[in-house]
Amino acid sequence: AQSVAQPEDQVNVAEGNPLTVKCTYSVSGNPYLFWYVQYPNRGLQFLLKYITGDNLVKGSYGFEAEFNKSQTSFHLKKPSALVSDSALYFCAVRAASGTYKYIFGTGTRLKVLA
Amino acid sequence: EAGVAQSPRYKIIEKRQSVAFWCNPISGHATLYWYQQILGQGPKLLIQFQNNGVVDDSQLPKDRFSAERLKGVDSTLKIQPAKLEDSAVYLCASSFGGPGTGELFFGEGSRLTVL
Repeated sequence: AQSVAQPEDQVNVAEGNPLTVKCTYSVSGNPYLFWYVQYPNRGLQFLLKYITGDNLVKGSYGFEAEFNKSQTSFHLKKPSALVSDSALYFCAVRAASGTYKYIFGTGTRLKVLA
Repeated sequence: EAGVAQSPRYKIIEKRQSVAFWCNPISGHATLYWYQQILGQGPKLLIQFQNNGVVDDSQLPKDRFSAERLKGVDSTLKIQPAKLEDSAVYLCASSFGGPGTGELFFGEGSRLTVL
């Protein structure tokens, strides 16, 4: 069965510092991995995805994520956090075959402090 | 390009009443999803359609929830009768679907409060 774990409910970081939001996954076969961001009273917005190829993927708003197959992780990173990055972040996984079901983690609230 | 449209944005009902939510996906997207997002939790898949056929409804409480996607375009999710624990945001998403690698596109959501 597919699953996603986001071990931190909240991450606090000072503006200008690097940030990391953690995600680990479990899926049969090759994974497709995604990060989404959610602002208050809004739907989820796509940030980036890993399908195949380079383990470091770059996405919107300066975010990037590193795929690590041996650790089954897909951590979200940004070199320099902005106050406007404060939001709820969700990791999602989809199996490369089967029903193409997307499973989401429980979310991590990122708070960037000025 | 128009995004995923959902209505109503907000709905307040009393328990045991019924409610319906509507979703119009992005044009050309074959796959449509309904997710339930309870406050403080991640989205939970309720039902997934491929065109107008159901692919997965294993987590849909079928005694009270129903969904349809007529003509493979827009979709309606109904709850009847509603319970207090149904208070949540109902998110509709769409994608090109199938074996593609595309991401999901979400609507703004419909927030349901059951009193």
